[in-house]
Amino acid sequence: AQSVTQLGSHVSVSEGALVLLRCNYSSSVPPYLFWYVQYPNQGLQLLLKYTSAATLVKGINGFEAEFKKSETSFHLTKPSAHMSDAAEYFCAVSRNSGNTPLVFGKGTRLSVIA
Amino acid sequence: GAVVSQHPSWVICKSGTSVKIECRSLDFQATTMFWYRQFPKQSLMLMATSNEGSKATYEQGVEKDKFLINHASLTLSTLTVTSAHPEDSSFYICSAKTGARGTDTQYFGPGTRLTVL
Repeated sequence: AQSVTQLGSHVSVSEGALVLLRCNYSSSVPPYLFWYVQYPNQGLQLLLKYTSAATLVKGINGFEAEFKKSETSFHLTKPSAHMSDAAEYFCAVSRNSGNTPLVFGKGTRLSVIA
Repeated sequence: GAVVSQHPSWVICKSGTSVKIECRSLDFQATTMFWYRQFPKQSLMLMATSNEGSKATYEQGVEKDKFLINHASLTLSTLTVTSAHPEDSSFYICSAKTGARGTDTQYFGPGTRLTVL
């Protein structure tokens, strides 16, 4: 079975500081990995995805994530936090074939302090 | 591209009534749609997988007679919460997958907040 663990339910950073949101996965098959962002009372917006191509994936809004198979990690980073980055972030995994649903982590709430 | 809509965005109903939520893929055909449920400050939990023209596949613990799913076309899936009770109050989110195999990208709707009084 696949699973995702997000370390830290709440991360707080200063505006302009580095953002690092941690995600570790467990999968018996080559995984597809995703990061989604959710603003209050809204659905999920795809930030980026890893689908077995380049291990460093660049997404929208300046975010990027690196797939590290040896560490089973897919951490999300952004060099400089902006106030508008404050939201809930979800890491998710799926099998890389067919119509498979996503398995989500518990989410990490990012707060950005002015 | 790849926009998914949900209607309504917010609904309040009385206990015992039924509520229908629509999920539409606006600019692509979705052979598969997924229905998730999210409780406050929690993650999304998959309720069911909906394939066009066939019966939905429900996750363990989800009552199929209570949460009726219909995927009548390649752009529309509906979730009907029958005989709703306060414990059914939640945020319901659908997603739709494009038909291309191997990409596995799901596009999410904005969600429907259901409050049962």
